[in-house]
Amino acid sequence: SAVISQKPSRDICQRGTSLTIQCQVDSQVTMMFWYRQQPGQSLTLIATANQGSEATYESGFVIDKFPISRPNLTFSTLTVSNMSPEDSSIYLCSVNRGQDEQYFGPGTRLTVT
Amino acid sequence: AQSVSQHNHHVILSEAASLELGCNYSYGGTVNLFWYVQYPGQHLQLLLKYFSGDPLVKGIKGFEAEFIKSKFSFNLRKPSVQWSDTAEYFCAVNAARGNTPLVFGKGTRLSVIA
Repeated sequence: SAVISQKPSRDICQRGTSLTIQCQVDSQVTMMFWYRQQPGQSLTLIATANQGSEATYESGFVIDKFPISRPNLTFSTLTVSNMSPEDSSIYLCSVNRGQDEQYFGPGTRLTVT
Repeated sequence: AQSVSQHNHHVILSEAASLELGCNYSYGGTVNLFWYVQYPGQHLQLLLKYFSGDPLVKGIKGFEAEFIKSKFSFNLRKPSVQWSDTAEYFCAVNAARGNTPLVFGKGTRLSVIA
């Protein structure tokens, strides 16, 4: 299994500000994935972060809004920029380990007022 | 691109009733299949997974799922539900070629009443 931690676990932010979410994995992984779970909804992939290259964003998500860093094989950050109430969600990072099994962090619950 | 369909948005069952939640996927290649559960206020937990081999897989808490390749289906079953099974259930797939992200269905809310 993989141990994944995220910081902060939750935050309440004002409209127009930015929040950076950190994701730390207990061992080196090639790919890290960032998901969003809006209230009452399923998980949607935001982007795939590969160490040493730019993140790959899914349709509907752009780098200016959700910049991602991947400085090494155990760490990544996701920034939610210029936040609006529609950005209120749980943000989760995840990694693949072994035979394609995916492990999730505990999530960051973001509320934008 | 992959997609996952979960047929039931909200299922309400009495305790001891049998459960079957439908899941169909669309993808042209080989996939891995998963069911996750999310209890109220908690984060995702893996119920079971299918990679290859026996198409009937058993997971935690008495859940099982059957992969029917010809139907592109991976339905979740439990013979007798309990009140504590009240949760949101998500079916997910990824391409079986390593380091690929999961694609989730919209989820099915299960409410078990006494």
